[in-house]
Amino acid sequence: EVQLVESGGGLVQPGGSLRLSCVASGFDFNIHNMNWVRQAPGKGLEWISYISRNSDIIYYADSVKGRFTISRDNAKNSVFLQLNSLRAEDTAVYYCAREPQTIAVAVDYWGQGTLVTVSS
Amino acid sequence: QSALTQPASVSGSPGQSITISCAGSSRDVGSYNLVSWYQQYPGKAPTLTIYEGTKRPSGVSSRFSGSRSGNTAFLTISGLQAEDEADYYCCSYAGTSPWVFGGGTKLTVL
Repeated sequence: EVQLVESGGGLVQPGGSLRLSCVASGFDFNIHNMNWVRQAPGKGLEWISYISRNSDIIYYADSVKGRFTISRDNAKNSVFLQLNSLRAEDTAVYYCAREPQTIAVAVDYWGQGTLVTVSS
Repeated sequence: QSALTQPASVSGSPGQSITISCAGSSRDVGSYNLVSWYQQYPGKAPTLTIYEGTKRPSGVSSRFSGSRSGNTAFLTISGLQAEDEADYYCCSYAGTSPWVFGGGTKLTVL
């Protein structure tokens, strides 16, 4: 069974940092590109970052560029998102999302999400 | 990176057909046949409903179909059922900032 399990969310003050982790199981993690997508409370989905299977291609949404860093460790079946200089508007549920091997720009499996709350 | 434009809400009666639009531009929807659609129930993660504009993943009902005209993509649900009541999001490839989502549409089954 394919599973994506996020962790690392929590309450942080504006300007603070968090590191989100996503551990994958039930599939060959090495052959899948991965994404982070977030959803603010009561709002829509927002794509924020993409990392290719061997980390040679990385993209960020303009809203997080320069503040967030995506990385992955294929040996540990994990993808990470380092969140720095956090703002109130970064408050959201952050989802780890798998791109299918043969389909571009789609997500076939999502994690359950981890909530990040930025507040003083 | 501008979000794709979806109607905030649509509604229909059981058995009817509804269509949700997803308006983009020549930089995204109009240039790439890489639109995906997601269904999301409250408090749950989204699920893939349509990919590459018109294709259905295995397990998704044939009542769901996708299409495109110019810079706008469409999701049509035929034979509307109560279980279809959910939020729906489109997503498109957008070039240099590669993924962009629509704002979402709340479907109400009357």
